Amino acid sequence: DQQVKQNSPSLSVQEGRISILNCDYTNSMFDYFLWYKKYPAEGPTFLISISSIKDKNEDGRFTVFLNKSAKHLSLHIVPSQPGDSAVYFCAASDDSSASKIIFGSGTRLSIRP
Amino acid sequence: DGGITQSPKYLFRKEGQNVTLSCEQNLNHDAMYWYRQDPGQGLRLIYYSQIVNDFQKGDIAEGYSVSREKKESFPLTVTSAQKNPTAFYLCASRSTGTGITGELFFGEGSRLTVL
Repeated sequence: DQQVKQNSPSLSVQEGRISILNCDYTNSMFDYFLWYKKYPAEGPTFLISISSIKDKNEDGRFTVFLNKSAKHLSLHIVPSQPGDSAVYFCAASDDSSASKIIFGSGTRLSIRP
Repeated sequence: DGGITQSPKYLFRKEGQNVTLSCEQNLNHDAMYWYRQDPGQGLRLIYYSQIVNDFQKGDIAEGYSVSREKKESFPLTVTSAQKNPTAFYLCASRSTGTGITGELFFGEGSRLTVL
């Protein structure tokens, strides 16, 4: 039973446009959410996070939105750049001080010229 | 430079053999994690440890074992009981101090292939 779901395995976006990656979760106890970016044969790198007490967090071109009632979060990248082409993972935790961190299956983002 | 080092980067194993993947961190992090990545399945949690001499099973612990004798080290043994061990293995660590976010820092990964 997947507690964190990324239903779009791939997404193609034109350079300069907005990329929107979606993530749904089923566990209402999750209180901390993270987005990671991963290139092939490398470890994921942290992008941005959000606590359940917020509904938006912004860092440069990256913004994460959290809708707790819908158990849904999204990552917006604007403007999209060629270097953004990678696999993006959504992750969730139910204890921000320690504990299990559960990842989604990832979305492969391709930025086309 | 502070970071997480996984070794070896590539490893080949014959069926029936145990193999141990190394993970060392010099970030002074308390918590360490092992994940496995298979195509289309994202990262699945194998084991995690919040403090020295303590660890918990993740979602797919069967066929794996770990130890946490030192804060900086969290080796993973893939045993012959693991039915499908060919995968990309990722080690991660995180600080669990007060006020610290839940960010995980990952190593570069180890690719295990069973022949």
